[in-house]
Amino acid sequence: DTGVSQDPRHKITKRGQNVTFRCDPISEHNRLYWYRQTLGQGPEFLTYFQNEAQLEKSRLLSDRFSAERPKGSFSTLEIQRTEQGDSAMYLCASSLGRRGGNQPQHFGDGTRLSIL
Amino acid sequence: QKEVEQNSGPLSVPEGAIASLNCTYSDRGSQSFFWYRQYSGKSPELIMFIYSNGDKEDGRFTAQLNKASQYVSLLIRDSQPSDSATYLCAVNEGNQFYFGTGTSLTVIP
Repeated sequence: DTGVSQDPRHKITKRGQNVTFRCDPISEHNRLYWYRQTLGQGPEFLTYFQNEAQLEKSRLLSDRFSAERPKGSFSTLEIQRTEQGDSAMYLCASSLGRRGGNQPQHFGDGTRLSIL
Repeated sequence: QKEVEQNSGPLSVPEGAIASLNCTYSDRGSQSFFWYRQYSGKSPELIMFIYSNGDKEDGRFTAQLNKASQYVSLLIRDSQPSDSATYLCAVNEGNQFYFGTGTSLTVIP
C-alpha cells in the first residue's frame, strides 16, 4: 500500500493556461474524490468517481473543470483557461465503498496550484 | 445546504492536558463521521472515524457521537506539542463528504 499519489506537487502557471493534475489512488479503492482547499477553509468537494464512472459533480464547479478516470484506476483533473481564483490546493482522496456506507477517505499530498 | 460547523479557534492547551474539539452538523441523514488532522501546508490525515452513537477510543484519541444532538467531538488526552495542527471534522452522507473549516489547536510545552 503506497497510499494516494498526486502529481505534480506544485504547479505555477500564467492565467489563461490549461493545467492537468494526476491522482493514483490506493490500488484496491474503488472510489476517488477530488477536492479544492483554500487557506483557512476545509476541503471543498469537486467531483467523485466510482470505478470509471463520474457519479457526482459539484454544482459550483465551472465547466472549465473536467475530470476523468479511465479504466477505473488513476484520475486526471484538468482546468482550462485558468483564472486567479483557481489558485488553491487540489486534493485527491480514495476510499473503499461498500454497500451501506463509506469507508474513510485517504488523501494524497495534494497539488498546489498558483496562478500568476 | 449541508453544513458542518467547527469553532475555528485557536484552541490552546498546555502539554499533558486534554484537548476537546467539537463539531455540529446540519443533516440528520448523515451516516459516518471522521476526524482529520492537517498540519500547515500538508494534506489531511485520518485520525478517527465513528459510525454509531457513543464513544470510540483509539490510543490518546476518543471520538464521541450524539446523533440526536447532531454533535461529534474529539478528545485528545495527554496532549503533545506534535498534536498542534488544524483538526477537520468530516460528515458523510450518501457519496459525499462534507468538511468543516477546522479548529486550530496549539499545545504549549
